[in-house]
Amino acid sequence: QQPVQSPQAVILREGEDAVINCSSSKALYSVHWYRQKHGEAPVFLMILLKGGEQKGHDKISASFNEKKQQSSLYLTASQLSYSGTYFCGTENYGQNFVFGPGTRLSVLP
Amino acid sequence: EAQVTQNPRYLITVTGKKLTVTCSQNMNHEYMSWYRQDPGLGLRQIYYSMNVEVTDKGDVPEGYKVSRKEKRNFPLILESPSPNQTSLYFCASSLVNQETQYFGPGTRLLVL
Repeated sequence: QQPVQSPQAVILREGEDAVINCSSSKALYSVHWYRQKHGEAPVFLMILLKGGEQKGHDKISASFNEKKQQSSLYLTASQLSYSGTYFCGTENYGQNFVFGPGTRLSVLP
Repeated sequence: EAQVTQNPRYLITVTGKKLTVTCSQNMNHEYMSWYRQDPGLGLRQIYYSMNVEVTDKGDVPEGYKVSRKEKRNFPLILESPSPNQTSLYFCASSLVNQETQYFGPGTRLLVL
């Protein structure tokens, strides 16, 4: 079953923060985050494994609450290069990999 | 250069004419997967393969076939394409399941 992402779309000004949420009705082993720019292939951002860890690099970080079956992606002080569609993906204990429908992020100057 | 390649990149065909989209990776990855991407639906997994000769259905396998005879190659076969298979297709690979997936550049298919 496809995870749910919110919001569907968000528009920011450079320097503003954003949060993208991902939730699943199934127990999760891991949550993956990818970003896709228009006309390009998705590119990996990070993986979070069960245990509630928080990861990050640069000004993009994420958390994973396995009890709530939710993950959030945090974009701090957004840059123009952050524009794109963000997908969470979940893998349910050895079963197939499922991506969410995506969140379109637009960062304006 | 480590990469996933797909061919062709663009394809226009007619209903019922068998076609194959090739996918190859040079990273010695065990896990390979095919996705289709449609507006508003995100990426949906068609088939995946944990290793050579091991394939399994994803969420939308109807109308597709795959094979994994060699570790590096994972072709997607449409035996009798229909217009509802018009989509953008991505192949992806990862070292093992649950690891980072590396995507190919995509194949845009139009079935008339």
